[in-house]
Formats: sequence, structure tokens, C-alpha cells
Amino acid sequence: EAEVAQSPRYKITEKSQAVAFWCDPISGHATLYWYRQILGQGPELLVQFQDESVVDDSQLPKDRFSAERLKGVDSTLKIQPAELGDSAMYLCASSFGTGASYEQYFGPGTRLTVT
Amino acid sequence: TQLLEQSPQFLSIQEGENLTVYCNSSSVFSSLQWYRQEPGEGPVLLVTVVTGGEVKKLKRLTFQFGDARKDSSLHITAAQPGDTGLYLCAGAYDYKLSFGAGTTVTVRA
Repeated sequence: EAEVAQSPRYKITEKSQAVAFWCDPISGHATLYWYRQILGQGPELLVQFQDESVVDDSQLPKDRFSAERLKGVDSTLKIQPAELGDSAMYLCASSFGTGASYEQYFGPGTRLTVT
Repeated sequence: TQLLEQSPQFLSIQEGENLTVYCNSSSVFSSLQWYRQEPGEGPVLLVTVVTGGEVKKLKRLTFQFGDARKDSSLHITAAQPGDTGLYLCAGAYDYKLSFGAGTTVTVRA
């Protein structure tokens, strides 16, 4: 069964350091999402791509976060510099298309701890 | 701010008992999805409901979408320890999903 792949699964970094997460969506899925899930809360959308284009990054803290999907397949989310409040689970999801009728499938996530 | 309110926040029951969790909003959604998430893992899609009043059954799980497409419920019959997890509802509007904070369900053997 096709799955969304994410790496690393766990990351511990010191504040002010740079950190990067990678996501490989399900093959054929044009839409890719990055979410942040703080403990005790539901996932919140950070950025959404349609192929290589950003559809929505309104909730992405652009002073320190960046995301790219250069070839419209896999994607990287970067934080520089990391802050203590960035500790969370970072989830990647993909769907066949963009719109309410397309179901999103999530990867296992990257658990980030900033010390 | 999350558009969807889930209740209860925590639920602990004995194996074999039934449970219901709720997902409420003042907003209308074009569809609503339910996910289960285990610790340290990503959410896994359980079901999507689209039509107001729709009821879907998956084995021991029954999902209902409110007539006005603002609320939903998940009912589990004869819960098993394998049902333990965080249950998240997510409402679809425009091209986005808005998630609730989830209900943590613990089923004791």
C-alpha cells in the first residue's frame, strides 16, 4: 500500500540552529501539505503545494520557516533559526488533487524537540 | 483558533463498553473526515462523510454527519483495546481541512 514517507522521524536540536524535514508523497499525488501539531491540539496547516506551486502559506512563519517542492514531487520544510516554541510534530500529507473532495493521507511525522 | 470543537477531551472506558465522541462547529462544511492517531504516528483516515444526515458504518464504528453539515459523531460499539487512540475530526471548506483538538480514547482490558 502506498504511503507518505517522512524523515527523520525524530529530531533534537538546540535553539538558534537550523533544521530540515523531508517528505515524499504518495506517487501521483499532486497536492502536498505540511502541518504542525502541538501536543494536545489538532494539526494546523503551514503550507500547501499544488505540484511545485504554493497554494497557501498564510500560516507559515516566513521569517524563520521555508518550504519548497522544486520538482513537484518531494518537499523540504526548513526552520532557521529554531526556537523553543517550534517543538512539535511536523506532519506531511498528500492528496490526488486540491479541493474538499480529495482525501488527505498523512505520513508518520517528524517529532521535533528544540532545547 | 480551531473551528471544530470536540468532546469529551478525554474518555476512558472498559473493554466491551460503548462510547460516543462529538465534533461540533458553527460553520458548514462540504465534508467531514474522521482520523485516528496513535502516539508518535500520523493520523490515519477512517471515513469521509459528505451528505447531511449521512450515516456510515465500518464494522463496530458508526459515523454520522449532521443534517446541517455542522456537526458529526463517532460511535464505537463494544470497544476493544485496539481502539485506543486520539480521534480527530476535520472539516473541509474551500480547499482546506480544519481539525479539532481531538478526543483521547483509552480502552482498558
